[in-house]
Amino acid sequence: AQSVTQPDARVTVSEGASLQLRCKYSYSGTPYLFWYVQYPRQGLQLLLKYYSGDPVVQGVNGFEAEFSKSNSSFHLRKASVHWSDSAVYFCALSGNSGGSNAKLTFGKGTKLSVKS
Amino acid sequence: EAAVTQSPRNKVAVTGGKVTLSCNQTNNHNNMYWYRQDTGHGLRLIHYSYGAGSTEKGDIPDGYKASRPSQENFSLILELATPSQTSVYFCASGGQGNTEVFFGKGTRLTVV
Repeated sequence: AQSVTQPDARVTVSEGASLQLRCKYSYSGTPYLFWYVQYPRQGLQLLLKYYSGDPVVQGVNGFEAEFSKSNSSFHLRKASVHWSDSAVYFCALSGNSGGSNAKLTFGKGTKLSVKS
Repeated sequence: EAAVTQSPRNKVAVTGGKVTLSCNQTNNHNNMYWYRQDTGHGLRLIHYSYGAGSTEKGDIPDGYKASRPSQENFSLILELATPSQTSVYFCASGGQGNTEVFFGKGTRLTVV
């Protein structure tokens, strides 16, 4: 069975500070990993994705994430947050082949609050 | 332009009634998904499909059925709606390897 764990339900940081949101996964094969963001009363938007290769992937708005197979992790980072980054962030996992491996599983999300 | 359209956007149903949520995608994606979103639970997968005619159980399938009659359409069916199924439901479509996934705007379902 595949699963995604986001251990921090809420994170508060000051504007301009650095950010790390944690994501741990469980999957028997090689996963595809994603980070999505959801702003209030909106749908989900893709921030970045990892399939293979360089374990550090760049996304939109200065976000990046690092894949670690040994730690089963895919943490999201940003060097300097802005108040507009306040949102809920979801980590997600999918299999890397078709058919029933297309299952796309999300974590419970981390609500980020940026204080000025 | 990629699109996932859900209907209805809002629905009030009575306990014990039948509810059908519809989803249409114009992205020619093989994969389609139904999630429910509740505070504290994030997005939980109910059913998914990897092609026309296929449906697979997700993590919380009890009380729900799904139907994928065509590449474009994926329905979620609540045969006997209960108040615990009050939630916001999202449909999504994904290409091969989920290299791109698009979400609908959600359906707010209230079961009274």
